[in-house]
Amino acid sequence: KAGVTQTPRYLIKTRGQQVTLSCSPISGHRSVSWYQQTPGQGLQFLFEYFSETQRNKGNFPGRFSGRQFSNSRSEMNVSTLELGDSALYLCASSLGPHRDSGNTIYFGEGSWLTVV
Amino acid sequence: GENVEQHPSTLSVQEGDSAVIKCTYSDSASNYFPWYKQELGKRPQLIIDIRSNVGEKKDQRIAVTLNKTAKHFSLHITETQPEDSAVYFCAASTNGKLQFGAGTQVVVTP
Repeated sequence: KAGVTQTPRYLIKTRGQQVTLSCSPISGHRSVSWYQQTPGQGLQFLFEYFSETQRNKGNFPGRFSGRQFSNSRSEMNVSTLELGDSALYLCASSLGPHRDSGNTIYFGEGSWLTVV
Repeated sequence: GENVEQHPSTLSVQEGDSAVIKCTYSDSASNYFPWYKQELGKRPQLIIDIRSNVGEKKDQRIAVTLNKTAKHFSLHITETQPEDSAVYFCAASTNGKLQFGAGTQVVVTP
């Protein structure tokens, strides 16, 4: 079956703009989580959604937000972009909330965001 | 919150030798420890995971050990091959949050 699909794969934005990234989980998976990957900070957890509800949140400012739709697809939004937001944004899906042991997460290919 | 430290940051091994990567975590409530392999420009892919009620798990050339008392876990790759070259990340899960280590760049030279 198809894996986690993220769009767009690459994008360039200007400081101050906003961006929306999209993620379609593996069919049957209801939990979606988002991560930011940068050379300096590594892989950092942004948030997790299950059944359209945010279940967990990392230590990122309020400019980073997300949502999940009834079909489990998810979007994340970053407003007022800063140069430091340039990163690979990875979406991951799992059958259920990650809190429940046994729910392995599977990553998508990511969206490469460059802020200029 | 949870803090995961990973060592070494880079590891160069001769093809056929073994590679060992070690991680320590801080929160004793962590209960799930996956390892991911990320090749250049690709997504992280799960290679093996272990849960807190298990001390060791093996899958062909890959094994993971967990010492809950010492709060550390390790990845062992035996008979390394050039295609094992990648960045490997360990992670620890606490209360539904996965905290990743900084990664280990493994280079396998023929």
